[in-house]
Amino acid sequence: DVKVTQSSRYLVKRTGEKVFLECVQDMDHENMFWYRQDPGLGLRLIYFSYDVKMKEKGDIPEGYSVSREKKERFSLILESASTNQTSMYLCASSFTPLAGGFSGANVLTFGAGSRLTVL
Amino acid sequence: DAKTTQPPSMDCAEGRAANLPCNHSTISGNEYVYWYRQIHSQGPQYIIHGLKNNETNEMASLIITEDRKSSTLILPHATLRDTAVYYCIVRARLDSGGSNYKLTFGKGTLLTVNP
Repeated sequence: DVKVTQSSRYLVKRTGEKVFLECVQDMDHENMFWYRQDPGLGLRLIYFSYDVKMKEKGDIPEGYSVSREKKERFSLILESASTNQTSMYLCASSFTPLAGGFSGANVLTFGAGSRLTVL
Repeated sequence: DAKTTQPPSMDCAEGRAANLPCNHSTISGNEYVYWYRQIHSQGPQYIIHGLKNNETNEMASLIITEDRKSSTLILPHATLRDTAVYYCIVRARLDSGGSNYKLTFGKGTLLTVNP
């Protein structure tokens, strides 16, 4: 069964701490994504990556950075956590369609989520 | 990116068909419609996608109008486990080019299946 694994299901951190959220996928997918989900706001894209060492800003990148040193791993970094970053964080991955074709790529596989509380 | 509009909530009786509407009146010719759902405390799950023809799989059916400005996700025999938030999404192409894409999720429809 294909999987996207997020390292921590629940984390509690203090304001100002550096936080790492790790995500690993075993499907050899090119694309990986980090979303956050808050009540009433739905899922919002933070960052995504379409290749190793490549990254693109999503809709709400402020306060976050990412790292993709290996194809299977995509890390979300909060350099100095703040209380407004308390949220559910969801990692996802997808494959890239063949050039000129579109055969159902963009089917995202999500992890179970990491619920972060910043005190 | 084409925007989507969904009702915030719907109810359905167990065993009956659940029909979830989505409006995407600004969709362009090469954009696909995707449906995902999210059961409480879990990550979203892919359901189905389509371009202009109706599609069916083991989970659901997708009906897209001829002008492609709206679609309906049909769960033929809803069960209590189908209670979830359902997202209708139109695929967006990255402005930076290439063959990679991202999906933008809206707020979705909370479907509650009642016994």
